[in-house]
Amino acid sequence: SQKIEQNSEALNIQEGKTATLTCNYTNYSPAYLQWYRQDPGRGPVFLLLIRENEKEKRKERLKVTFDTTLKQSLFHITASQPADSATYLCAPSGSARQLTFGSGTQLTVLP
Amino acid sequence: EAGVTQFPSHSVIEKGQTVTLRCDPISGHDNLYWYRRVMGKEIKFLLHFVKESKQDESGMPNNRFLAERTGGTYSTLKVQPAELEDSGVYFCASSHTRGYGYTFGSGTRLTVV
Repeated sequence: SQKIEQNSEALNIQEGKTATLTCNYTNYSPAYLQWYRQDPGRGPVFLLLIRENEKEKRKERLKVTFDTTLKQSLFHITASQPADSATYLCAPSGSARQLTFGSGTQLTVLP
Repeated sequence: EAGVTQFPSHSVIEKGQTVTLRCDPISGHDNLYWYRRVMGKEIKFLLHFVKESKQDESGMPNNRFLAERTGGTYSTLKVQPAELEDSGVYFCASSHTRGYGYTFGSGTRLTVV
């Protein structure tokens, strides 16, 4: 069955450093992968989408890579800020009609 | 532009009762989705509407759950009768183009006691 693993449930880093979050998937080949941010009591907020034929995508301080050989995506936040503290969800999905979410990584950026 | 609106934000009901959740998607978004997160689990897909038609309801847990989308606008998700394991947060999302990021609502936290 499809399985998604996001690295450590919680990640603490110092302000100004680069946060790197990992998303590994097994037993399927998603056509694309999305990353979402979720704050307590709120719904997920879409950040980035990367397709299987793309190696890397950037948006402001965010960078996502997608390695279909390793079955892994890395999500980087450069020059991290306390406001970046949230739970980050990856969703490697084979279908455009439904997302399959990982359990999320809770990022805390310490001032 | 207004976001996806869900209400109520919280609902506490007794086992065996009926609850109806409502979702108002972003105007013009043909695609509407329902997801839920039960305690300690990942967010899981329930179903997908395109306009008023159900495209995929493979994630609906059982026939106690009924979703409708009137006239391709707002959607309701009814749970009847509610069971304890139905407790969780129910999210609605909408999108204009399939395959791109969705806009989620803030969710309805349902507690069945």
